[in-house]
Amino acid sequence: DTGVSQDPRHKITKRGQNVTFRCDPISEHNRLYWYRQTLGQGPEFLTYFQNEAQLEKSRLLSDRFSAERPKGSFSTLEIQRTEQGDSAMYLCASSLGGDSAADEQFFGPGTRLTVL
Amino acid sequence: LAKTTQPISMDSYEGQEVNITCSHNNIATNDYITWYQQFPSQGPRFIIQGYKTKVTNEVASLFIPADRKSSTLSLPRVSLSDTAVYYCLVGDMDGSARQLTFGSGTQLTVLP
Repeated sequence: DTGVSQDPRHKITKRGQNVTFRCDPISEHNRLYWYRQTLGQGPEFLTYFQNEAQLEKSRLLSDRFSAERPKGSFSTLEIQRTEQGDSAMYLCASSLGGDSAADEQFFGPGTRLTVL
Repeated sequence: LAKTTQPISMDSYEGQEVNITCSHNNIATNDYITWYQQFPSQGPRFIIQGYKTKVTNEVASLFIPADRKSSTLSLPRVSLSDTAVYYCLVGDMDGSARQLTFGSGTQLTVLP
């Protein structure tokens, strides 16, 4: 257990539905990351936050995806109008951040999304 | 966008030293190289991080040449429990967006 929790662990939904995932990072961590991972592939960066500010967003992130970190603590990732191609493991990670580029990320267990 | 290349798989026997190399171009001047380990149905777990030359911790060593276009993770005396996928992660400044790119991963299988 890294101290990063994600909820739910599994989600099955029908195509066209909206889903929302939650991530609770390690409490003193300023940075929070979202990744997507499909079977046999490495994690694909989606976005990250420094405190409550969303600093970076992947060019691959569709307009159907949105993420928030309203008070700089937990974060939510919402996918609207889900498609079968959205089926994947969604990983959250947190890190201390700071001025240095050195950045050890602690990953949560992930939320596995299946879109039928 | 940084492109990283790792061997798809490697086999080793218990007690041997294993070296996994990651090639990465376009690494940013300020970026570090980080290696992660991942077991099935779990999130990646940090192993080691470095910027240049050599870094060693209690579980691994990381070798980075002067040009920083590659890195080698060294696992001493592997055991069966080291069977996992290993990823290298580097940062890349792509315009205004920082794209964090994991490698394709190396499946390490440790045999008895």
